[in-house]
Amino acid sequence: DVKVTQSSRYLVKRTGEKVFLECVQDMDHENMFWYRQDPGLGLRLIYFSYDVKMKEKGDIPEGYSVSREKKERFSLILESASTNQTSMYLCAGSDRRVQETQYFGPGTRLLVL
Amino acid sequence: RKEVEQDPGPFNVPEGATVAFNCTYSNSASQSFFWYRQDCRKEPKLLMSVYSSGNEDGRFTAQLNRASQYISLLIRDSKLSDSATYLCAFLGGGNKLTFGTGTQLKVEL
Repeated sequence: DVKVTQSSRYLVKRTGEKVFLECVQDMDHENMFWYRQDPGLGLRLIYFSYDVKMKEKGDIPEGYSVSREKKERFSLILESASTNQTSMYLCAGSDRRVQETQYFGPGTRLLVL
Repeated sequence: RKEVEQDPGPFNVPEGATVAFNCTYSNSASQSFFWYRQDCRKEPKLLMSVYSSGNEDGRFTAQLNRASQYISLLIRDSKLSDSATYLCAFLGGGNKLTFGTGTQLKVEL
């Protein structure tokens, strides 16, 4: 069974803090994605990566950066957290070799005070 | 027009009922379509893929109508455990998924 794990289920940070959200997948998948999910807005793509050290901006990259140093790990970084970044953050992975769907981690609920 | 549109619901149905959701999409180049299920405060989980010929998995049937650009999900004999939010998604360029905002289903006794 495929598995995507995220470092924290719940996180509380203060405005201005630097925040790291970690995601690890054991599927040997090239593609990894970071989304945020907010009520009424659905899932919105922040950043994605098709390979190690590669990254692409999604639909809402402002205020975020990412790191992909190893194939299995994709990190989302909030350089200076703001209250409007309070959200549910979901990491996902997919196999580039086939036209396949994505598998999600359990999510991190981030509250920025 | 939004890329993907879903009726947010909620759809309140009695146990045993048949319920159907639609999801319209605007990108005619979309190749692959999916239905996800998301329980409250949990991650989306793949329910089923949607093929051109339609596909069925137990009580669940998914259909694709390319001409009218929508996909549908039919749930027969609804169970209490089917209560969840159902998200549609389509695969566009670059293996990127575009999601609908979801339809909430509540199955009641």
